Parts: sequence; structure tokens; C-alpha cells
Amino acid sequence: SQQGEEDPQALSIQEGENATMNCSYKTSINNLQWYRQNSGRGLVHLILIRSNEREKHSGRLRVTLDTSKKSSSLLITASRAADTASYFCAPKSGGSYIPTFGRGTSLIVHP
Amino acid sequence: GAGVSQSPSNKVTEKGKDVELRCDPISGHTALYWYRQSLGQGLEFLIYFQGNSAPDKSGLPSDRFSAERTGGSVSTLTIQRTQQEDSAVYLCASSLETGSYEQYFGPGTRLTVT
Repeated sequence: SQQGEEDPQALSIQEGENATMNCSYKTSINNLQWYRQNSGRGLVHLILIRSNEREKHSGRLRVTLDTSKKSSSLLITASRAADTASYFCAPKSGGSYIPTFGRGTSLIVHP
Repeated sequence: GAGVSQSPSNKVTEKGKDVELRCDPISGHTALYWYRQSLGQGLEFLIYFQGNSAPDKSGLPSDRFSAERTGGSVSTLTIQRTQQEDSAVYLCASSLETGSYEQYFGPGTRLTVT
């Protein structure tokens, strides 16, 4: 299994601004998932993007995948204070049964 | 329906004691995963089950850690002779099957070893 690496480690923005987080990985993947973790709670699944997809949307979330660069990005538009959380990417390789998680990006949205 | 539940939510134990952490997955989910998250760190994979079988135990940090799953449902993670470095939040997740399926996480058990 391989681990995704999120960048930046921390991001601080004002409410209403957009937030972009990036994820890089090392080997070919079947899919990549993004999760959110609010303080003191478990992780919540946001989006799964497959290796043959380039972009997916879910509400204010937009995920892109560039397999040639082995990278993905998560864009949160019109951020809200409630978006304050840590965001993790979890790439899954074809030879692995499990996605693995990096250290995450800590996002703070100031009201 | 009910999500993944874990118990206890908090556990404080003395160094050297054994602890058992419990995970109740979502009904019908065949895959179950255990992760550990230390303060400010990412998730460290420990072990996963497909049914009652654990094909990959490579993430267990030492032989003091063990896990079992019975009836394809409840799982127990046991830590023997706890050490202070075992202090962390232990997260359990389940999914319909292993592979390209969304994982549903429980709220975690915060373990503090004094």
C-alpha cells in the first residue's frame, strides 16, 4: 500500500474564500478518496475519484486527478467556518486492499 | 441505520496493563479496519479483516497488539502490557468490501497510558 502526502500541512483562510489542498502519491492507483476529520471526531468520506476520471464535483467540493503527475487536488469553494477540519487523501493501489492515509491538511476558516 | 460504534470512547490505563478496544461495524459490511492516530499525526494502518480473516497484519506495531473478529461482525483490538507510546486515538472503519469502497469510520477510542 502507499501513502498520500497532503500539501500544505496547514491552511488558514477567511470565510468566503476558496481553499485548495493537494495530494501526491508514488505509484499507480485504482482510485483516490478524500476524507474530512473534524476536531475530536472520526473521519467522514467526501469523494472517491477513480483513475479513469479527471474531475468530480460534490456540492462546494471539486476534486481533480492527474495520473500523469500522480497528484490530486481538493477545492472547497466559498468556504465556511464549519469547513474547519483536517482533510486527508487516501490513494489505493491496484495491488492493495486498503487505502492509506497521510498526515492531512489542517484547514482553518475564520468567520 | 446505525454507523460504526466503538467502545470505550475514552480509556485511561496504567503502564503494563492490558486493554481491549471494541468495534461494532455497520451491519452487512464485510471489511473492517483498525487505524491509530497519534496527536497531530496521520492515520497509521494497523490491521484489516475480510470477514473473520485478517490477511494483512503487517501494520501491527509489535506482538503486544492483536485483533480478532467474530461472526463477521464485532472486532476487538487488544494491547497487552501497554506502554506510554501506545497512547493515541484508535479508529475503526468498515466498508461493504475491501477495495474501492468508501470506509465508514467510528468516533474512535482515545487511549491514554499513564
